[in-house]
Parts: sequence; C-alpha cells; structure tokens
Amino acid sequence: GESVGLHLPTLSVQGGDNSIINCAYSNSASDYFIWYKQESGKGPQFIIDIRSNMDKRQGQRVTVLLNKTVKHLSLQIAATQPGDSAVYFCAEPLFTGNQFYFGTGTSLTVIP
Amino acid sequence: DTGVSQDPRHKITKRGQNVTFRCDPISEHNRLYWYRQTLGQGPEFLTYFQNEAQLEKSRLLSDRFSAERPKGSFSTLEIQRTEQGDSAMYLCASSLGGIITDTQYFGPGTRLTVL
Repeated sequence: GESVGLHLPTLSVQGGDNSIINCAYSNSASDYFIWYKQESGKGPQFIIDIRSNMDKRQGQRVTVLLNKTVKHLSLQIAATQPGDSAVYFCAEPLFTGNQFYFGTGTSLTVIP
Repeated sequence: DTGVSQDPRHKITKRGQNVTFRCDPISEHNRLYWYRQTLGQGPEFLTYFQNEAQLEKSRLLSDRFSAERPKGSFSTLEIQRTEQGDSAMYLCASSLGGIITDTQYFGPGTRLTVL
C-alpha cells in the first residue's frame, strides 16, 4: 500500500505486506527529517531520522528515502504488523532548527 | 522508566479556571519543548527552553499561557482563564541539543478538556 502525504491521509494494508508512507516537505533548506509514530492516546515515538546528505537510511523493518530534488520523503515498513497501526508523521525543522513542523500525518491501518 | 514523563495525564476543568501541567524531561537533556495537538492534526510548537532559558515562543502562545523551567530540569505550563478552544493534548519533548541533528523525544501528553 502507498499514500501520498496530505492528499491521502489514510492507508490500509494487509498484514505481512509492505507499506509506503509518503511525505512532501516544504523547506528546501531543511537538513534533517524525523519520522514519528503515534498510537492512539500516546505521544509521538521516534522511528528513524535522516540527514539531507543521505538519500536512504535503514532501520529495523523500516527504510526512509529522501529525494531532495522533489522535496519528498517516504517511509517504507516491511512485513507490516498489526502493531504498526498508528498515525505516522514526518517532521522537518522550521527556520531556527529548534521548532519542528509535523503536518497532518498519515493514518496506517493494518488488516490482520 | 527513563523517558519523558508528564503529569497529569488527563485534566478536566471548567472554562475560566487555571490549570498547570508538569513535564519531566530525560535527565541529561538540556532542551525542552512544549507542543499542542488537536484531534486529527500533528503537534504544533508552542515554546522551547535551553536549560532554564525560554528561547522561542510561538504566536500560538497567547498571554494566557506561561511556561517555566526554573532549574533547567522539569518544566510547567500554565494556562490561565481556560477557554473551550484550549481543549487539546499538550505534549512535552526533550532533546540533547545537537548541532546538526537534535532528535526530540516525546512524553505521553496531558489531555485537557475544558467544559
């Protein structure tokens, strides 16, 4: 399954499939991005980050891809599990680097 | 648990009352942030501390809101004369304060309901 940022805020995938969550960022000068996962009633949880001098970074079952040409990030989750159901945010720093902009996020639902 | 903690987790108050929330950051983190999150939206930045100094404030932070971090450790966020529009989740985050990358780690939040 695949989503496109703010235009498709909900993504449903079958358990075991791979998920792709997309994010378009606004500031071409942003040099650092973070993906957060937020489960219902909880605070955002850090998943993975990437600096602008990289175009790919891998973690455990997750991969983030950065395309600076089109200002686009994606989060790929391999073998999606029910516990992956949550809202996912990509965060980019605002002007000073201390404020992060989160956007609306994408809600991922994993169908068992 | 060595993560960010917040207290209380839930607060119900009547319009016009004052409320105060507390945040305890990860112990070695010198930066502390407050965010507000409404249903269906991402967190919105309110303010940020470097040690005890409040360095940035969002335009969202009206004069009814005040935040402190007196000893550079825990922080409090007070809302005076609460309004129904203040109902939201208030999130606290902390970070080490890196020069290039500075990952913010969030607490569980305080959910405020103003009746």
